Amino acid sequence: GAGVSQTPSNKVTEKGKYVELRCDPISGHTALYWYRQSLGQGPEFLIYFQGTGAADDSGLPNDRFFAVRPEGSVSTLKIQRTERGDSAVYLCASSSGTSGSETQYFGPGTRLLVL
Amino acid sequence: AQSVTQPDIHITVSEGASLELRCNYSYGATPYLFWYVQSPGQGLQLLLKYFSGDTLVQGIKGFEAEFKRSQSSFNLRKPSVHWSDAAEYFCAARGSTLGRLYFGRGTQLTVWP
Repeated sequence: GAGVSQTPSNKVTEKGKYVELRCDPISGHTALYWYRQSLGQGPEFLIYFQGTGAADDSGLPNDRFFAVRPEGSVSTLKIQRTERGDSAVYLCASSSGTSGSETQYFGPGTRLLVL
Repeated sequence: AQSVTQPDIHITVSEGASLELRCNYSYGATPYLFWYVQSPGQGLQLLLKYFSGDTLVQGIKGFEAEFKRSQSSFNLRKPSVHWSDAAEYFCAARGSTLGRLYFGRGTQLTVWP
């Protein structure tokens, strides 16, 4: 079946602009995660949804970052007033959400470049 | 605080040689442990995972990893590396409930023909 998909694959924007990144999880997966991967680093956790609600948003770096999942499927990560330091690959993952012993499946990521 | 350390940023091996990638974790309890591989332009693919039980776990593509509680380590091994194994490898940990993964910074593997 289809894996996790993310759009766009690349996004170039100017400092101060607003961007939205989309994640389509694997069908039926109730848990959805966002991570950010800066150059030369491992992925860093941003936020985790269980269904429609954010179960853990402790990784969001500041109030410019916001994520929603209104129907418990697709999620959108929103970044306001982008800064050059926001440039990174944004990864989305999903899992079935039913058991602690489960795997997170990752999408290909959205590469964001803020000029 | 929970953390995962991968001491080697870059490793180079010859094709056919054995491979060991190191991973150490710092966690309050025994974590669930994972190894992922990332090829250029690709997402993270799970190689193997350890939850409990047998401390030697087998994964895809001929990889295995051994959990050593006394050393807080979960090293990845492969007896004979293929050129297609060249990629970046990430070790990750999390608790026994659903939630965030803590990743190491990754080890870039180069394979010489």
